Amino acid sequence: GNSVTQMEGPVTLSEEAFLTINCTYTATGYPSLFWYVQYPGEGLQLLLKATKADDKGSNKGFEATYRKETTSFHLEKGSVQVSDSAVYFCALMMDSNYQLIWGAGTKLIIKP
Amino acid sequence: NAGVTQTPKFQVLKTGQSMTLQCAQDMNHEYMSWYRQDPGMGLRLIHYSVGAGITDQGEVPNGYNVSRSTTEDFPLRLLSAAPSQTSVYFCASRPLKGYGNTEAFFGQGTRLTVV
Repeated sequence: GNSVTQMEGPVTLSEEAFLTINCTYTATGYPSLFWYVQYPGEGLQLLLKATKADDKGSNKGFEATYRKETTSFHLEKGSVQVSDSAVYFCALMMDSNYQLIWGAGTKLIIKP
Repeated sequence: NAGVTQTPKFQVLKTGQSMTLQCAQDMNHEYMSWYRQDPGMGLRLIHYSVGAGITDQGEVPNGYNVSRSTTEDFPLRLLSAAPSQTSVYFCASRPLKGYGNTEAFFGQGTRLTVV
């Protein structure tokens, strides 16, 4: 079946460090891929998305590229801030099905 | 623009009690869903609906009921609360057209503790 695997957290970085959160997927077909972010005490909100191979999603300095050859959608940011501390979820959705398949989430802690 | 509104934000129940978590959206979205979030397990789908009068089970439906009498509302009922239902519950909505490319909107969550 379809699934999403994320790197386990927490990930702890210093402010201005480079961030990578790994996400790989298994899917029978060509899914759309998403990153959602959950700030403390809040619901999830869409961070970025990509709907086909080689697409790059970007928002708020974060980027992720849809890599079909490695079935990956790694989240990156060049210089993190304390305000980026949150839980990040990778997810996929198939065109043939309207369900989102979620990774387990990765908690990111940024220290000043 | 209220988006997705969940109530209550916090709730403590005794084992065996029943209650309803409310969810309303004002975006005219066809698709609504309920998730539970537990540490290390991500989001697990409880029930979902693709329109008024249509509901279906997700991954973990046992112990929960839903109904969808209007497009706007999608309440989740706990029939007889158990400690295993202690969790954070999220309601989400999304348009169905172009569903491979659409954003899901989430409520702020309900933190439920069953003692």
